[in-house]
Amino acid sequence: ELKVEQNPLFLSMQEGKNYTIYCNYSTTSDRLYWYRQDPGKSLESLFVLLSNGAVKQEGRLMASLDTKARLSTLHITAAVHDLSATYFCAVDKASGTYKYIFGTGTRLKVLA
Amino acid sequence: GAVVSQHPSWVICKSGTSVKIECRSLDFQATTMFWYRQFPKKSLMLMATSNEGSKATYEQGVEKDKFLINHASLTLSTLTVTSAHPEDSSFYICSAYHRLQPQHFGDGTRLSIL
Repeated sequence: ELKVEQNPLFLSMQEGKNYTIYCNYSTTSDRLYWYRQDPGKSLESLFVLLSNGAVKQEGRLMASLDTKARLSTLHITAAVHDLSATYFCAVDKASGTYKYIFGTGTRLKVLA
Repeated sequence: GAVVSQHPSWVICKSGTSVKIECRSLDFQATTMFWYRQFPKKSLMLMATSNEGSKATYEQGVEKDKFLINHASLTLSTLTVTSAHPEDSSFYICSAYHRLQPQHFGDGTRLSIL
């Protein structure tokens, strides 16, 4: 069974702190996507990681991909309240299909 | 600005009626569109893949007669929930795919069946 698992499922953290969200997957996909979803809203694309060792950074978020370990991380640096949202990773169902399987999601709450 | 437009954003209707949701790609021609369903506080579940000019491909467990998909043009796909019942209440999200780009998602449609 194809699985995409995220840890943790829920995260509450203080402003200014750092933390890492993990995304493990079982497909052979070499592409991984990170999205953000605010309550009642659709998904906003954050990062597209296209190859092993890819690292991308935008503001306080940094994502990396290790295709050999089938693991991606989303690192949060000096969290701020505006980062509160649910974060999803997604991978291609099979290489080249562009059909996504989404992770379980990580609900992040940053406390002021 | 929005790349994918989804309409309506929220619909409430009585049990037994059919509801149509539209998904339009605004900036590009999408040969493929996807339809997802999301339950509260849960992840997105892929329902079907909609290809322009051909029949949709449904994921295992999704009733194709219940969820009718039409992809009449390169910029429009529609999902019709036929004879909707309360258990069909959910958040439905479409996305459009353009080669070598990540999927662009619509704003979603909240469907409530009374």
